[in-house]
This record gives sequence, C-alpha cells and structure tokens, in this order.
Amino acid sequence: DQQVKQNSPSLSVQEGRISILNCDYTNSMFDYFLWYKKYPAEGPTFLISISSIKDKNEDGRFTVFLNKSAKHLSLHIVPSQPGDSAVYFCAASANTGTASKLTFGTGTRLQVTL
Amino acid sequence: EPEVTQTPSHQVTQMGQEVILRCVPISNHLYFYWYRQILGQKVEFLVSFYNNEISEKSEIFDDQFSVERPDGSNFTLKIRSTKLEDSAMYFCASIYSYDFARQYFGPGTRLTVT
Repeated sequence: DQQVKQNSPSLSVQEGRISILNCDYTNSMFDYFLWYKKYPAEGPTFLISISSIKDKNEDGRFTVFLNKSAKHLSLHIVPSQPGDSAVYFCAASANTGTASKLTFGTGTRLQVTL
Repeated sequence: EPEVTQTPSHQVTQMGQEVILRCVPISNHLYFYWYRQILGQKVEFLVSFYNNEISEKSEIFDDQFSVERPDGSNFTLKIRSTKLEDSAMYFCASIYSYDFARQYFGPGTRLTVT
C-alpha cells in the first residue's frame, strides 16, 4: 500500500544546478507534506513542509511545490551544493485530530557532483 | 535546537531475546512515535503515544511490541521476543502538538538480531 511514492530512486546533479525531487501521493486525506533529508546512520532531518492550503513554500535554497489536483509535490534545490548529497524522503500527514503519523515515500538518493 | 536522543546507538541480540530501545523526546513535547527502517526500505510508522496511551499502531506493531513512558522523560519500545526480521533502524520522534506535523527524529538505534 504505497500511499506516498517517490519514483526516482536516485538523482545526480552538478553543483550549482537545480535539483528537482518528485513525490506523488494517493490518499486524499493528506493535508500536510514534508521533506526530510537523511544521511546514513542518522535520523531524518526536517527540511521544509507545505500545508494543503498552499501551493508553494520557500525557505532559502529550498522550495516545495504542491499540485493538489495531480496529487504531486516537488522539492527544488537551487543552487545544489555537494553537502546536499543525501537521501530525501517525502512524507505526508492527515490531520485526524490525534497524534497523526507520517507516511513516508521510499526516498530519492541525491548526489551532487563537482 | 533541541534534540531527541536515543540509546543505544547499536544493539545486537539473539533471536528470541527481549530488547528495550530507549528514547528521550524533546522536553515539552507531548506526542511520541516509533518508526523503523529496514535496510534499503522506507521509514515505516509503528506506533504513536499520547497522554500515556497508544493513539495509533500499525499492523507491524503486534503483541511482541510494547511502548511505555516510565517517567517524565523516557519513552521506550520493547520487543519481547525478537525475530530476524526485526533487524532494522528504529527511530523515535516527538512533537509538541498534533497541529504541527513536523516531527523531530532521533538518530536511531540499529537493532541487529542474529
């Protein structure tokens, strides 16, 4: 039951260029979306999020776009830096009024090359 | 920034043994979670905990698993009789309020069952 999908397991981008990571979801109840970055042997680190009432959220080099009708979101990193090399997980949450769990995608490994 | 901490960082145990994984959530947080990530797979929700009781659990969280908040700071996950397939990274997470979906993750405990 893959409610959150990241169809690209890996992505390689040159330093200074734009990285675009994509995520699709199927559950219409999701109303909050997050991107987490993860290095090996560490826990996921929050990067940026977006509520379903918005279509764009920006934080420095990171921008998340949400297309509700397509059930699609993307993370743009501009410019990409070598330190951005990590696995990026898309996650989604449905506000059920209780301790809402996060549903994660399978991750995209980003490698930023010099 | 405040951090979630987890101990031990790595636990090796024999099949059938009991293990307890420990977490110290961020001090004013009220909602607590356990997730796991089997090597190469996505991060999966196990259980959420609020007000000293389980809010939600996944199908993975069967009778072999239990959670407890024995005092005001620790949050534990117990696996009563470990199986080989329990080998994974286990992440604890916490948030202050369910209105804020951004969960803060600990660094994880690598559980190896032999």
